[in-house]
Amino acid sequence: DTGVSQDPRHKITKRGQNVTFRCDPISEHNRLYWYRQTLGQGPEFLTYFQNEAQLEKSRLLSDRFSAERPKGSFSTLEIQRTEQGDSAMYLCASSLGSGGRESTDTQYFGPGTRLTVL
Amino acid sequence: KDQVFQPSTVASSEGAVVEIFCNHSVSNAYNFFWYLHFPGCAPRLLVKGSKPSQQGRYNMTYERFSSSLLILQVREADAAVYYCACKAAGNKLTFGGGTRVLVKP
Repeated sequence: DTGVSQDPRHKITKRGQNVTFRCDPISEHNRLYWYRQTLGQGPEFLTYFQNEAQLEKSRLLSDRFSAERPKGSFSTLEIQRTEQGDSAMYLCASSLGSGGRESTDTQYFGPGTRLTVL
Repeated sequence: KDQVFQPSTVASSEGAVVEIFCNHSVSNAYNFFWYLHFPGCAPRLLVKGSKPSQQGRYNMTYERFSSSLLILQVREADAAVYYCACKAAGNKLTFGGGTRVLVKP
């Protein structure tokens, strides 16, 4: 399978704990995105990388959230001191972008990591 | 505020054409993307663009602030959630809340 993969698929944690999720994009894709989806809503943009550079961050990404893509391949999303409001599906997507800000590259999504904070 | 609007549910009968309407208030958005999502699976792109287009049984209409996804000859297996998304300059997608398609046999 050469699609976007995410690990773990499910995570249950207690309030106040730290959690880290991993995303492996499609191998040749240079762009990687994180989205968050709560029940009954569509995905909401969190952040975006081009290669290893984090180029855009949403205001949804509080100081407790940090994302990295150290070698321009896989990415991690860490949430520190989790709160019950962090419970959501965290989706990763990747794309092969060759244009600038007006590119229309297709974002391919992974199956997501479902986080439950007790 | 940048938002994308779509109905929460559309019901149809097998063999009919299902139309899902989407409109937006996203500043400078110029592309629509339509995704299909089955629970537990990755959302999958069906069709995209800034003009009317077709991919198999999926047709996309295009206006400056709205788009419709038409599913031709809908089947029970098409019952899922369909997301409309818009893209302005930059690379983030702004999604609607999703439309659940119900198909009666």
